[in-house]
Amino acid sequence: AQKITQTQPGMFVQEKEAVTLDCTYDTSDPSYGLFWYKQPSSGEMIFLIYQGSYDQQNATEGRYSLNFQKARKSANLVISASQLGDSAMYFCAMREGYTGTASKLTFGTGTRLQVTL
Amino acid sequence: EPEVTQTPSHQVTQMGQEVILRCVPISNHLYFYWYRQILGQKVEFLVSFYNNEISEKSEIFDDQFSVERPDGSNFTLKIRSTKLEDSAMYFCASSPQSGANVLTFGAGSRLTVL
Repeated sequence: AQKITQTQPGMFVQEKEAVTLDCTYDTSDPSYGLFWYKQPSSGEMIFLIYQGSYDQQNATEGRYSLNFQKARKSANLVISASQLGDSAMYFCAMREGYTGTASKLTFGTGTRLQVTL
Repeated sequence: EPEVTQTPSHQVTQMGQEVILRCVPISNHLYFYWYRQILGQKVEFLVSFYNNEISEKSEIFDDQFSVERPDGSNFTLKIRSTKLEDSAMYFCASSPQSGANVLTFGAGSRLTVL
């Protein structure tokens, strides 16, 4: 079974609209972390947001928020007020285990977001 | 803002040649990693490194691969005898031993094996 599943290979959103990128995960470890990274066409991986399995509140970072539904094992990324510069590939990733150890991340296949005028 | 730097940004090599990819992690980070991304595919973990030794490696990281921290700043990935299927983007990353232990990635080194 896939540990990280991103079911949307591509998404379109109009500028200034909000968009939700889906991510579901599979783990039996009670301690885990969920990450979202952005990969623009230039290729670098840019960290966006993190959610720990024990965090009570959904993470937010500026225009990014993570809709964490633990029982459903989903960690969807919400981008509000989309901008043209948000056009990129978005990867969901998971680290299993305690944060004090090395972060071996398992990545999903990614969602390519295109922001249109 | 501190960053992870990688060199070279792009390397073209012949099959069977040795390649060394270099990385300078963020100075106060304690964990170092190599990941790779074959074109159009997802990012895959290769190896993590802590306290001057490998802490974990994937099935991909076979005897052809090695990592080294030759001094206090550099972290290298060596591929002894490159194969066509080693063509990929190789990302170095580092993370602190605190908080969420978030990985900061470098811009990547694109390796093309001919």
